[in-house]
Amino acid sequence: DVKVTQSSRYLVKRTGEKVFLECVQDMDHENMFWYRQDPGLGLRLIYFSYDVKMKEKGDIPEGYSVSREKKERFSLILESASTNQTSMYLCASSYSSYNEQFFGPGTRLTVL
Amino acid sequence: AQTVTQSQPEMSVQEAETVTLSCTYDTSENNYYLFWYKQPPSRQMILVIRQEAYKQQNATENRFSVNFQKAAKSFSLKISDSQLGDTAMYFCAFMKQPSGGYQKVTFGTGTKLQVIP
Repeated sequence: DVKVTQSSRYLVKRTGEKVFLECVQDMDHENMFWYRQDPGLGLRLIYFSYDVKMKEKGDIPEGYSVSREKKERFSLILESASTNQTSMYLCASSYSSYNEQFFGPGTRLTVL
Repeated sequence: AQTVTQSQPEMSVQEAETVTLSCTYDTSENNYYLFWYKQPPSRQMILVIRQEAYKQQNATENRFSVNFQKAAKSFSLKISDSQLGDTAMYFCAFMKQPSGGYQKVTFGTGTKLQVIP
Protein backbone atom coordinates (compact mmCIF):
# COMPACT_ATOMS: atom_id res chain seq x y z
CA ASP A 1 0.00 0.00 0.00
CA VAL A 2 1.05 3.54 -0.69
CA LYS A 3 2.06 5.37 2.41
CA VAL A 4 2.07 9.14 2.66
CA THR A 5 3.20 10.48 6.00
CA GLN A 6 3.25 13.98 7.42
CA SER A 7 5.62 15.10 10.12
CA SER A 8 3.01 16.31 12.60
CA ARG A 9 -0.69 15.72 13.21
CA TYR A 10 -1.05 18.87 15.29
CA LEU A 11 1.08 21.98 15.37
CA VAL A 12 0.73 25.27 17.26
CA LYS A 13 2.84 28.23 16.19
CA ARG A 14 2.96 31.95 16.89
CA THR A 15 2.41 34.73 14.40
CA GLY A 16 5.58 35.53 12.52
CA GLU A 17 7.24 32.17 13.07
CA LYS A 18 8.69 30.19 10.18
CA VAL A 19 6.87 26.88 9.86
CA PHE A 20 7.95 23.73 8.06
CA LEU A 21 5.50 20.99 7.18
CA GLU A 22 7.08 17.81 5.90
CA CYS A 23 5.58 15.12 3.71
CA VAL A 24 7.13 11.82 2.70
CA GLN A 25 5.82 9.16 0.32
CA ASP A 26 7.32 5.71 -0.05
CA MET A 27 6.09 4.61 -3.48
CA ASP A 28 8.31 6.49 -5.89
CA HIS A 29 5.51 8.81 -6.97
CA GLU A 30 6.31 11.51 -9.47
CA ASN A 31 3.79 14.09 -8.34
CA MET A 32 3.32 15.60 -4.91
CA PHE A 33 0.81 18.19 -3.74
CA TRP A 34 0.00 20.44 -0.83
CA TYR A 35 -3.60 21.40 -0.10
CA ARG A 36 -5.29 23.27 2.65
CA GLN A 37 -8.71 22.17 3.83
CA ASP A 38 -11.14 24.62 5.38
CA PRO A 39 -14.79 24.03 6.31
CA GLY A 40 -17.12 24.99 3.50
CA LEU A 41 -14.25 25.52 1.07
CA GLY A 42 -13.16 21.97 0.38
CA LEU A 43 -9.55 21.38 -0.62
CA ARG A 44 -7.58 24.12 -2.27
CA LEU A 45 -4.27 23.51 -3.99
CA ILE A 46 -1.33 25.50 -2.66
CA TYR A 47 1.59 24.08 -4.64
CA PHE A 48 2.50 20.94 -6.49
CA SER A 49 5.63 19.33 -7.83
CA TYR A 50 5.95 16.92 -10.74
CA ASP A 51 9.64 16.22 -10.36
CA VAL A 52 12.56 16.83 -8.05
CA LYS A 53 13.35 20.53 -7.76
CA MET A 54 10.29 21.36 -9.88
CA LYS A 55 7.34 23.23 -8.45
CA GLU A 56 4.24 24.91 -9.70
CA LYS A 57 1.87 27.32 -8.00
CA GLY A 58 -1.61 26.15 -7.29
CA ASP A 59 -4.67 28.26 -6.60
CA ILE A 60 -3.57 29.86 -3.32
CA PRO A 61 0.25 30.07 -3.17
CA GLU A 62 0.48 33.44 -1.42
CA GLY A 63 2.31 33.21 1.88
CA TYR A 64 3.71 29.76 1.13
CA SER A 65 6.74 28.23 -0.51
CA VAL A 66 7.79 24.64 -1.14
CA SER A 67 10.89 22.54 -1.51
CA ARG A 68 11.46 19.20 -3.18
CA GLU A 69 15.09 18.20 -2.92
CA LYS A 70 14.39 14.47 -3.04
CA LYS A 71 11.70 12.59 -4.90
CA GLU A 72 10.06 11.19 -1.79
CA ARG A 73 9.93 14.40 0.22
CA PHE A 74 7.91 17.57 -0.31
CA SER A 75 8.03 20.37 2.21
CA LEU A 76 5.64 23.26 2.69
CA ILE A 77 7.09 26.41 4.23
CA LEU A 78 5.25 29.28 5.83
CA GLU A 79 7.88 32.04 5.86
CA SER A 80 6.03 34.15 8.42
CA ALA A 81 2.96 32.44 9.81
CA SER A 82 -0.22 34.45 10.13
CA THR A 83 -3.49 33.67 11.88
CA ASN A 84 -5.31 33.26 8.56
CA GLN A 85 -3.06 30.30 7.84
CA THR A 86 -4.68 28.33 10.64
CA SER A 87 -6.01 25.32 8.77
CA MET A 88 -5.73 21.61 8.03
CA TYR A 89 -2.91 20.92 5.59
CA LEU A 90 -3.02 17.81 3.44
CA CYS A 91 -0.20 16.35 1.44
CA ALA A 92 -0.87 14.03 -1.49
CA SER A 93 1.08 12.15 -4.11
CA SER A 94 0.34 10.35 -7.36
CA TYR A 95 2.32 7.93 -9.48
CA SER A 96 1.64 9.85 -12.67
CA SER A 97 -0.67 12.54 -13.93
CA TYR A 98 -3.24 9.90 -14.92
CA ASN A 99 -3.42 8.27 -11.52
CA GLU A 100 -5.42 9.12 -8.44
CA GLN A 101 -3.87 10.97 -5.55
CA PHE A 102 -3.03 9.35 -2.23
CA PHE A 103 -3.30 11.50 0.83
CA GLY A 104 -1.44 11.83 4.08
CA PRO A 105 -3.21 12.07 7.46
CA GLY A 106 -3.05 15.86 7.53
CA THR A 107 -1.49 18.44 9.82
CA ARG A 108 -3.81 20.68 11.78
CA LEU A 109 -1.92 23.94 12.17
CA THR A 110 -2.99 26.63 14.61
CA VAL A 111 -1.32 30.02 14.42
CA LEU A 112 -1.82 32.14 17.53
CA ALA B 1 -11.80 27.02 -14.95
CA GLN B 2 -13.57 23.96 -13.69
CA THR B 3 -15.94 24.06 -10.76
CA VAL B 4 -17.37 21.22 -8.68
CA THR B 5 -20.57 21.68 -6.70
CA GLN B 6 -21.80 19.49 -3.87
CA SER B 7 -25.13 20.95 -2.87
CA GLN B 8 -25.68 18.82 0.24
CA PRO B 9 -23.38 19.97 3.08
CA GLU B 10 -24.74 17.29 5.42
CA MET B 11 -26.76 14.13 5.07
CA SER B 12 -27.79 11.25 7.26
CA VAL B 13 -28.93 7.73 6.53
CA GLN B 14 -30.10 4.79 8.58
CA GLU B 15 -27.79 1.82 8.76
CA ALA B 16 -28.49 -0.70 5.97
CA GLU B 17 -30.34 1.89 3.89
CA THR B 18 -29.23 3.46 0.60
CA VAL B 19 -28.11 7.04 0.21
CA THR B 20 -27.16 9.14 -2.81
CA LEU B 21 -24.73 12.05 -2.67
CA SER B 22 -24.97 14.55 -5.49
CA CYS B 23 -22.21 16.28 -7.43
CA THR B 24 -22.31 18.51 -10.45
CA TYR B 25 -19.42 20.04 -12.31
CA ASP B 26 -18.82 22.61 -14.95
CA THR B 27 -16.27 22.15 -17.69
CA SER B 28 -15.75 22.67 -21.39
CA GLU B 29 -13.43 19.67 -21.57
CA ASN B 30 -14.46 16.45 -23.27
CA ASN B 31 -11.90 14.13 -21.72
CA TYR B 32 -11.61 14.09 -17.96
CA TYR B 33 -11.77 12.00 -14.82
CA LEU B 34 -14.10 12.13 -11.85
CA PHE B 35 -13.49 10.83 -8.36
CA TRP B 36 -15.20 10.36 -5.05
CA TYR B 37 -12.95 10.53 -2.00
CA LYS B 38 -13.89 9.59 1.56
CA GLN B 39 -12.42 11.26 4.64
CA PRO B 40 -13.45 9.46 7.87
CA PRO B 41 -13.26 11.45 11.10
CA SER B 42 -9.61 11.99 12.06
CA ARG B 43 -8.45 9.59 9.38
CA GLN B 44 -6.80 9.75 6.01
CA MET B 45 -8.68 10.60 2.84
CA ILE B 46 -9.01 7.60 0.56
CA LEU B 47 -10.28 7.07 -2.95
CA VAL B 48 -13.71 5.48 -3.15
CA ILE B 49 -14.35 5.34 -6.85
CA ARG B 50 -13.07 6.71 -10.16
CA GLN B 51 -14.79 7.32 -13.49
CA GLU B 52 -13.27 8.12 -16.86
CA ALA B 53 -15.48 10.43 -18.92
CA TYR B 54 -15.01 8.41 -22.09
CA LYS B 55 -16.52 5.34 -20.43
CA GLN B 56 -20.29 5.17 -20.67
CA GLN B 57 -20.56 2.42 -18.09
CA ASN B 58 -20.96 3.62 -14.54
CA ALA B 59 -18.17 2.62 -12.18
CA THR B 60 -18.92 0.38 -9.21
CA GLU B 61 -16.87 -0.71 -6.21
CA ASN B 62 -18.71 -3.16 -3.99
CA ARG B 63 -21.46 -1.14 -2.22
CA PHE B 64 -20.44 2.09 -3.95
CA SER B 65 -21.63 3.02 -7.41
CA VAL B 66 -21.94 6.18 -9.42
CA ASN B 67 -24.51 7.62 -11.76
CA PHE B 68 -22.49 9.47 -14.37
CA GLN B 69 -24.53 11.71 -16.64
CA LYS B 70 -22.04 13.39 -18.97
CA ALA B 71 -24.49 15.62 -20.79
CA ALA B 72 -25.95 16.86 -17.52
CA LYS B 73 -22.47 17.11 -15.95
CA SER B 74 -23.64 15.13 -12.99
CA PHE B 75 -21.73 12.53 -10.98
CA SER B 76 -23.65 11.19 -8.00
CA LEU B 77 -22.46 8.54 -5.55
CA LYS B 78 -24.79 5.83 -4.31
CA ILE B 79 -23.96 3.93 -1.16
CA SER B 80 -25.98 0.76 -0.70
CA ASP B 81 -26.44 -1.10 2.58
CA SER B 82 -24.92 1.79 4.53
CA GLN B 83 -22.59 0.84 7.36
CA LEU B 84 -21.42 2.77 10.40
CA GLY B 85 -17.95 2.87 8.87
CA ASP B 86 -19.33 4.89 5.97
CA THR B 87 -19.67 7.89 8.28
CA ALA B 88 -17.29 10.40 6.74
CA MET B 89 -16.88 13.53 4.69
CA TYR B 90 -17.19 12.74 0.99
CA PHE B 91 -15.53 14.87 -1.65
CA CYS B 92 -16.31 14.86 -5.33
CA ALA B 93 -13.34 15.74 -7.52
CA PHE B 94 -12.72 16.59 -11.18
CA MET B 95 -9.50 16.20 -13.11
CA LYS B 96 -9.17 17.23 -16.73
CA GLN B 97 -7.01 15.25 -19.11
CA PRO B 98 -3.44 15.84 -17.93
CA SER B 99 -1.02 17.57 -20.26
CA GLY B 100 2.72 17.97 -19.89
CA GLY B 101 2.78 16.29 -16.53
CA TYR B 102 0.37 18.79 -15.10
CA GLN B 103 -2.25 17.17 -12.88
CA LYS B 104 -4.86 19.57 -11.56
CA VAL B 105 -7.70 18.23 -9.45
CA THR B 106 -10.61 20.41 -8.42
CA PHE B 107 -12.50 19.35 -5.31
CA GLY B 108 -16.01 20.10 -4.20
CA THR B 109 -16.78 21.47 -0.76
CA GLY B 110 -17.74 18.07 0.61
CA THR B 111 -20.80 16.30 2.01
CA LYS B 112 -20.73 15.16 5.60
CA LEU B 113 -22.51 11.82 5.83
CA GLN B 114 -23.69 10.41 9.12
CA VAL B 115 -24.83 6.79 9.28
CA ILE B 116 -27.29 6.31 12.11
CA PRO B 117 -27.46 2.96 13.92
